[in-house]
Amino acid sequence: NAGVTQTPKFQVLKTGQSMTLQCAQDMNHNSMYWYRQDPGMGLRLIYYSASEGTTDKGEVPNGYNVSRLNKREFSLRLESAAPSQTSVYFCASRESPAGNSGNTIYFGEGSWLTVV
Amino acid sequence: AQSVTQLGSHVSVSEGALVLLRCNYSSSVPPYLFWYVQYPNQGLQLLLKYTSAATLVKGINGFEAEFKKSETSFHLTKPSAHMSDAAEYFCAVSPTGANNLFFGTGTRLTVIP
Repeated sequence: NAGVTQTPKFQVLKTGQSMTLQCAQDMNHNSMYWYRQDPGMGLRLIYYSASEGTTDKGEVPNGYNVSRLNKREFSLRLESAAPSQTSVYFCASRESPAGNSGNTIYFGEGSWLTVV
Repeated sequence: AQSVTQLGSHVSVSEGALVLLRCNYSSSVPPYLFWYVQYPNQGLQLLLKYTSAATLVKGINGFEAEFKKSETSFHLTKPSAHMSDAAEYFCAVSPTGANNLFFGTGTRLTVIP
């Protein structure tokens, strides 16, 4: 039972390089999310996709782009990495019938990204 | 705007002692509330959630939380701490009708033998 799978788990980038974090879920969920986790700041939403074909900005979208490739996959791209983007990134998903915000969000195991 | 406040970024308890982790939310309408646990180098795992069915919510690993509307609180408790409870705990709120979770800054629980 894979749940939410994200790759890579670890990555070191040089400033200015680009990369894409991949995420896939096998729970047939409509909504998918990308969060970043920084010490003392909890998790902050970067982008989310309420359903296939839609994406919306979260709290900290600057410097990122996303693609909802299909219902299963939601990727996060850093076009020109900066040291401020050093963080742990989490992909997540949940089933979200209209108006039901009480459904559980399920998280992947995280991707540790260091930008030097 | 929704916000969640977790009082105490670090909490230490002795093994066998009561665990109390505090969470307060700001909202004019009671939202959905969640507690997640994160073990080192892992993702977040749901402990329990409040969805208006009952004010006292029981979760996994012996944890429970009580929703108190008058205090806008959703504190997490466990009667007797175990060494395996050492982790970081996050309170989160999902406003009614919203498609996002807003997280607190987390509380790191240390259990002293």
